[in-house]
Amino acid sequence: RKEVEQDPGPFNVPEGATVAFNCTYSNSASQSFFWYRQDCRKEPKLLMSVYSSGNEDGRFTAQLNRASQYISLLIRDSKLSDSATYLCVVRDFGNEKLTFGTGTRLTIIP
Amino acid sequence: DVKVTQSSRYLVKRTGEKVFLECVQDMDHENMFWYRQDPGLGLRLIYFSYDVKMKEKGDIPEGYSVSREKKERFSLILESASTNQTSMYLCASSLIGTGLSGNTIYFGEGSWLTVV
Repeated sequence: RKEVEQDPGPFNVPEGATVAFNCTYSNSASQSFFWYRQDCRKEPKLLMSVYSSGNEDGRFTAQLNRASQYISLLIRDSKLSDSATYLCVVRDFGNEKLTFGTGTRLTIIP
Repeated sequence: DVKVTQSSRYLVKRTGEKVFLECVQDMDHENMFWYRQDPGLGLRLIYFSYDVKMKEKGDIPEGYSVSREKKERFSLILESASTNQTSMYLCASSLIGTGLSGNTIYFGEGSWLTVV
């Protein structure tokens, strides 16, 4: 079983719709969680950290469910510029390394 | 803004050649990483370093070595390039520590290596 699993997609979603991604992680000792965004042929960039209480940044909401070991990302009122690959990232306790999921590809359709 | 610079963006090398990929960061970060990214496999960690002259193997170190002589510079070396090392290579850096901000990782723009 992969340490971090994501549905690879692609998700093709009409502009203005709401889209949600899930990510599961295998290590219950995982401590920190993030969503990164990667545009085509570019480097990944931090989108948002994921806190236990859930957090929101504009149209983006991230949730963490430690009991079920998954994190989610919700994008409301999707824009064409949201088209990208979204990477789920996990850091284990006492470890400086980050483990990346393979990413979920999102295309927003006009 | 954090800047992670990979000096070589696009390279074409022959099988058996020795290849150096250089990475420099300007934010005094302790941690530096080398990943490769391949379709369907995501980012895989090759090596990382948490201090000068310190290095640890990642998930796929075979065929690679690294050098960290200065805090700001982390080099990836392919001793004898092979076609299965054709990939995009990403360098990254982060602060050390357990805080959330210390875990944010910053990437360079990537080096696209083709081995023929």
